[in-house]
Amino acid sequence: QVQLVQSGGEVKKPGASVKVSCKASGYTFSSYGISWVRQAPGQGLEWMGWISGDNVNTNYAQNFQGRFTMTTDTSTTTAYMELRSLRSDDTAVYYCARDEAFGVDYWGQGTLVTVSS
Amino acid sequence: QTVVTQEPSLTVSPGGTVTLTCASSTGAVTSGYYPNWFQQKPGQAPRALIYTTGRKHSWTPARFSGSLLGGKAALALSGAQPEDEAEYYCLLYQGGAWVFGGGTKLTVL
Repeated sequence: QVQLVQSGGEVKKPGASVKVSCKASGYTFSSYGISWVRQAPGQGLEWMGWISGDNVNTNYAQNFQGRFTMTTDTSTTTAYMELRSLRSDDTAVYYCARDEAFGVDYWGQGTLVTVSS
Repeated sequence: QTVVTQEPSLTVSPGGTVTLTCASSTGAVTSGYYPNWFQQKPGQAPRALIYTTGRKHSWTPARFSGSLLGGKAALALSGAQPEDEAEYYCLLYQGGAWVFGGGTKLTVL
């Protein structure tokens, strides 16, 4: 069965960086992309970007170009997202989700990133 | 920047029917926007319901259906159950990027 298991919650200070992992299993990793989505407390979903499973292509949402980087490691079937220069409004649950070109199907459990001094 | 608009809240009676809609600030939503719909309950990750307008995932209950309606993407729920109370989000592909709607809080009462 398809599973996406994310790394645990993080607490970071403003200006720091955070890296979240998303371990995929149950499907051919390189055949599907991964989208990253975040949800601030009490708010809606926000799409951050997409990366192909083979780490060749990326598509970043305009709001996240510059301090956000997505990568994948096909040897460990793991996707990563890194967000730099963290601000308090980056406090959110970050989700990875399998992106099958025309939509998103399976989701990770989410990773809470808290930015606080 | 593109804005995707959903009804902030809707209420449906148990066993009743309700339609949620998803509009784009760029104009009429077409199949080329590949509309997706998700259900999210408090404290849980979103769950995919519909993709490419009206296709269901293997786990999607039959009472949910997706379509295009009056220039918008639509999610219909027929025979609402108490467990359908949740937040629902649409997702559209436009301008080379995915954009989520603001969500609809559906109450079954």
